[in-house]
Amino acid sequence: EPEVTQTPSHQVTQMGQEVILRCVPISNHLYFYWYRQILGQKVEFLVSFYNNEISEKSEIFDDQFSVERPDGSNFTLKIRSTKLEDSAMYFCASREGVSSYTDTQYFGPGTRLTVL
Amino acid sequence: RKEVEQDPGPFNVPEGATVAFNCTYSNSASQSFFWYRQDCRKEPKLLMSVYSSGNEDGRFTAQLNRASQYISLLIRDSKLSDSATYLCVVKGQNFVFGPGTRLSVLP
Repeated sequence: EPEVTQTPSHQVTQMGQEVILRCVPISNHLYFYWYRQILGQKVEFLVSFYNNEISEKSEIFDDQFSVERPDGSNFTLKIRSTKLEDSAMYFCASREGVSSYTDTQYFGPGTRLTVL
Repeated sequence: RKEVEQDPGPFNVPEGATVAFNCTYSNSASQSFFWYRQDCRKEPKLLMSVYSSGNEDGRFTAQLNRASQYISLLIRDSKLSDSATYLCVVKGQNFVFGPGTRLSVLP
């Protein structure tokens, strides 16, 4: 069964450093997403991406964040200068998006980001 | 009013019990509705989509009331393996997650 993959599973970084989180969505999917979940809190939408551009973003997704689809398979989230409060689990998700019946999102296993 | 609200939980039930979760949403333009389950420190996994007519998948039944902006999930004959956090997800322009309701099924 096809699945969304994410690397690394755990990233530890120093405050102020740049991090890039990587995702490989399911191959025939058209819509891609990043979410974050701070420990003990709810899943929060960050950004959606379609047709090689951002379609929506939340207020969390400020200038420190960017997304890219550098080739046909990878989808990355970059945090330019990490802050302590960026520590969270980051989930990538994708959906086929051909019709309303393909609204289902499939999530990757997540990257746990720890900012020290 | 929060976009998606759920029963705060936790629900602690014995094996074999029937348990129901409620969810309300504020955006009347929402188009699609889902229940996901999330195990501790894992990714959300789709449990079922929720259709206007209601739908059932084995021991799980989901209902949608668009007029009341209310979604429910019923789990019958609960198993130990049903222990998880159940997330109500509503799609308007984007997907909005509820805070989740934790279920513990006890032996």
